[in-house]
Amino acid sequence: DAKTTQPNSMESNEEEPVHLPCNHSTISGTDYIHWYRQLPSQGPEYVIHGLTSNVNNRMASLAIAEDRKSSTLILHRATLRDAAVYYCILRASNDYKLSFGAGTTVTVRA
Amino acid sequence: KAGVTQTPRYLIKTRGQQVTLSCSPISGHRSVSWYQQTPGQGLQFLFEYFSETQRNKGNFPGRFSGRQFSNSRSEMNVSTLELGDSALYLCASSLNGLQETQYFGPGTRLLVL
Repeated sequence: DAKTTQPNSMESNEEEPVHLPCNHSTISGTDYIHWYRQLPSQGPEYVIHGLTSNVNNRMASLAIAEDRKSSTLILHRATLRDAAVYYCILRASNDYKLSFGAGTTVTVRA
Repeated sequence: KAGVTQTPRYLIKTRGQQVTLSCSPISGHRSVSWYQQTPGQGLQFLFEYFSETQRNKGNFPGRFSGRQFSNSRSEMNVSTLELGDSALYLCASSLNGLQETQYFGPGTRLLVL
């Protein structure tokens, strides 16, 4: 299985952008890059996903490197409710089972 | 629409006992998946049910089993509990399967003493 590498933690101030990096150097051509987040005492929540092009939705933006070996989740204006563990995962087109590692714990300072 | 609900939210059992966890998917969702989350192993896939049939299975021993009812509600059973089964058990649902966005419930936190 292709693996991802994320920093253990990141801190941000409220109302400032947060850039969460993810390395996936062994990604295959058919792997989609997905981001989920998990707020305290809750189940994981889908954030965004992409294949090759950058993606935007109401929650975040996903910037994918041209060689697809890395990506960055961008929270444009962090709020206290964005404090969570963020997981970057790869989902193959022939194996959709979710599997998360340790993720990045995001702390937002008021 | 109501989200995915799981009961109970917290459970304490002792080694050797068995436990049954329940999951009600989002209305209209036919696929229900179960996951185990621990600090050491992260989130791991247990199995997926669709139309009352197990369609996908992860790498867990046979002590872990499940079923799905005609209304898409699902139960997961763990027999002969071990200390290492202490974890957050998450249920997720989607309309038709794992290839779609998974919507997770809040989980059942199981502690085995």
